[in-house]
Amino acid sequence: DAGVTQSPTHLIKTRGQQVTLRCSPKSGHDTVSWYQQALGQGPQFIFQYYEEEERQRGNFPDRFSGHQFPNYSSELNVNALLLGDSALYLCASSRGGRTGINSGANVLTFGAGSRLTVL
Amino acid sequence: GDSVTQMEGPVTLSEEAFLTINCTYTATGYPSLFWYVQYPGEGLQLLLKATKADDKGSNKGFEATYRKETTSFHLEKGSVQVSDSAVYFCALGGTTSGTYKYIFGTGTRLKVLA
Repeated sequence: DAGVTQSPTHLIKTRGQQVTLRCSPKSGHDTVSWYQQALGQGPQFIFQYYEEEERQRGNFPDRFSGHQFPNYSSELNVNALLLGDSALYLCASSRGGRTGINSGANVLTFGAGSRLTVL
Repeated sequence: GDSVTQMEGPVTLSEEAFLTINCTYTATGYPSLFWYVQYPGEGLQLLLKATKADDKGSNKGFEATYRKETTSFHLEKGSVQVSDSAVYFCALGGTTSGTYKYIFGTGTRLKVLA
């Protein structure tokens, strides 16, 4: 049973460029969340997608956008890259459900991440 | 707002030593609490969880008890191994109604020496 798969694993971009990161959730999961992990820090929530819509967003600028496809896979797009966007981007999947507070208790399954370096 | 505070690392122990990594939280409502582990070059793996007060999560010899009165979820292991060397993250999720994000601590690096 494949877990969460992310691509690419590593990439290097220059300031001002755009990047797209991809994620396939674990089998049976319908919800995808994206997190940014800066070096030496804990993951920070970017946003979550459920039923092809952004369900909640963290404190990230509009340069960060996403998409979820009918097969539950997801993309994270970052425009106008800044040096500070260099980080490990983690995708996490879960079973979304339709309730609010209980969904937070669902276990997140993480992928290995995509390491983005902005020069 | 909601937050998680972990003891700073790195923590360096000899093999078979006792481990404690402190974690305290601030949250509205009644969150679930988690410990995740990150090995070098990998993503986060769930180590254990607890969903309500006084619950004890356990896995692979690690334990943590959800203490509402002290808002804590300290991670313990009686005898660490070299293979336990990793970064450990405390996290909370499902606090106020309608929030789906997890909040993570900054992580504690554990190094176990043979």
